Amino acid sequence: IVMTQSPATLSVSPGDRATLSCRASHNVHNNLAWYQQKPGQAPRLLIFGASTRATGIPARFSGSGSGTEFTLTISSLQSEDFAVYYCQQYNNWPPLTFGQGTRLEIK
Amino acid sequence: QVQLVESGGGVVQPGRSLRLSCAASGFSFSISGMHWVRQSPGKGLEWVAIIGYDGRGKYYGDSVKGRFTISRDNSKNTLYLQMNSLGVDDTAVYYCATRGEKGNWFDSWGQGTLVTVSS
Repeated sequence: IVMTQSPATLSVSPGDRATLSCRASHNVHNNLAWYQQKPGQAPRLLIFGASTRATGIPARFSGSGSGTEFTLTISSLQSEDFAVYYCQQYNNWPPLTFGQGTRLEIK
Repeated sequence: QVQLVESGGGVVQPGRSLRLSCAASGFSFSISGMHWVRQSPGKGLEWVAIIGYDGRGKYYGDSVKGRFTISRDNSKNTLYLQMNSLGVDDTAVYYCATRGEKGNWFDSWGQGTLVTVSS
């Protein structure tokens, strides 16, 4: 299953809302996760099951969608949220597949 | 808390082998499925392999199938990745990660170990 994220780069001002998209080439139901990766760090799980926040993830992060269309929304961007975000499907595997990432940068 | 520490990376010539280790602590390793994921420099994430809690249920990405072997030693709380016939395209940071409780997402990650394949 091919995962396609858009846009490749998103420029948003601190305090604004960011909306990141992820599309699956086939139905993955709600078997989708989101990760955040900062430079020089390992990825961190944000969301699994398309909409369930992982332990310790702030409420400003929310996930939605099912089937082939998914969205990660960050409601009020903080400075520490500027990073690269990846979606990943775990419905049809192997292989487990990631999107190519969306870079969220400060406007 | 969950701690995963990878080791064994380094510079290796094409065609040679390398074995990575991932030392786990802070959770019940012996009942946890585990993954390897890699990231080529400046690129995205690529799933490499998974192993079930009991050492069964091994699956691989197409690019490493037949060359890499995932294994584990529950008595040592350690995950391994044996990499043979390495090529330049295997140059990457290799992360170990825990399997999600009810699905194959990547719950906790190590800090990664860099493998550079170069002559």
